Amino acid sequence: GDSVTQMEGPVTLSEEACLTINCTYTATGYPSLFWYVQYPGEGLQLLLKATKADDKGSNKGFEATYRKETTSFHLEKGSVQVSDSAVYFCALSGDQTGATNKLIFGTGTLLAVQP
Amino acid sequence: DARVTQTPRDKVTEMGQEVTMRCQPILGHNTVFWYRQTMMQGLELLAYFRNRAPLDDSGMPKDRFSAEMPDATLATLKIQPSEPRDSAVYFCASGEGLAGYNEQFFGPGTRLTVL
Repeated sequence: GDSVTQMEGPVTLSEEACLTINCTYTATGYPSLFWYVQYPGEGLQLLLKATKADDKGSNKGFEATYRKETTSFHLEKGSVQVSDSAVYFCALSGDQTGATNKLIFGTGTLLAVQP
Repeated sequence: DARVTQTPRDKVTEMGQEVTMRCQPILGHNTVFWYRQTMMQGLELLAYFRNRAPLDDSGMPKDRFSAEMPDATLATLKIQPSEPRDSAVYFCASGEGLAGYNEQFFGPGTRLTVL
């Protein structure tokens, strides 16, 4: 079945460091790919998404490119801030026929940014 | 700013008691999802609804869990009887349509502790 694998954390960085959180997926069809972020004590919120191969999602300085050839959707940011400390989830959704939009999540990666 | 709301935010109960969690999806959204989050299992999809009809509840232990949507503004998740292993954070999410690229909007969660 469909699945998402993301790097285990925690990832600890100093402020202004570069961030990469790896995410790879296994899926049939043509899934949409997402990064969700969960701040302490809150629910998940969408950070960015990409709906087809070679699309790049971006938001708040974060980027991720849908790479079909490597089945990857790595999250990157050039300069992290303390406020980026959170748990990041990679997820995939159903194919574009609209059969389903239920999400399959990775295990989450805790990012801790130190001043 | 439309949001998914969940009540209660925290619930502590004793083993064997009935627990009811409530969710108000964003007005106009026609899909509703219930997730459970634990340290060991991560995020698990329990059930989801479209236009108030259950589409998939295969992730839910049938003997003790039930999920319903009495109307378009209320989704409920019940556990009867509750057990300590049900301790987790339960999230509700809502979205528009079933297309795979559609975002899900998460509520703040209900933290359940079963003693």
